[in-house]
Amino acid sequence: EPEVTQTPSHQVTQMGQEVILRCVPISNHLYFYWYRQILGQKVEFLVSFYNNEISEKSEIFDDQFSVERPDGSNFTLKIRSTKLEDSAMYFCASTGQGALQETQYFGPGTRLLVL
Amino acid sequence: GNSVTQMEGPVTLSEEAFLTINCTYTATGYPSLFWYVQYPGEGLQLLLKATKADDKGSNKGFEATYRKETTSFHLEKGSVQVSDSAVYFCALKGYSTLTFGKGTMLLVSP
Repeated sequence: EPEVTQTPSHQVTQMGQEVILRCVPISNHLYFYWYRQILGQKVEFLVSFYNNEISEKSEIFDDQFSVERPDGSNFTLKIRSTKLEDSAMYFCASTGQGALQETQYFGPGTRLLVL
Repeated sequence: GNSVTQMEGPVTLSEEAFLTINCTYTATGYPSLFWYVQYPGEGLQLLLKATKADDKGSNKGFEATYRKETTSFHLEKGSVQVSDSAVYFCALKGYSTLTFGKGTMLLVSP
């Protein structure tokens, strides 16, 4: 069964460093999402991406964040200058088109720790 | 805005016990409702969904009914197994994005 994959599974970084989280969505999916979950809190929407541009973003997704689909398979989330409060589990998700857009399929997540 | 409220966990049950995890929501319009499950060390997996009022979603013995009058989508299972131990997330989908509850941890002992 096709699945969303994410790398790395864990990343530790120093405050102020840039990190890139990578996702490979399901191959025929067209809509892509990033969510995050700070430990003990809700899963929160960050951004959605379709047709090579951001279609929606939350208040959390400020200028420190960017997303990119650099090739036909990867979907990345970049945090330019990490802060302590960016420590969280980051989930990528993707959906198909039409009726298949109803259900988002999630990857296993990347646990980011900022020291 | 949209919001989802789930019962606090952990929920601790013995094998074969009946499970209910409460979920209520606030939303504009007519959202779709979902239950996702996260097993230890894994990502979020779709468990079941319902897209309109009175729909019942079901999968792997779990059920939830979309109740518009009470704005609820409670998850139930008649007889839990140790392998059901996981964190369960209730979520709603408005236009395109998901709004999640905080998650409820279920621990099932033999």
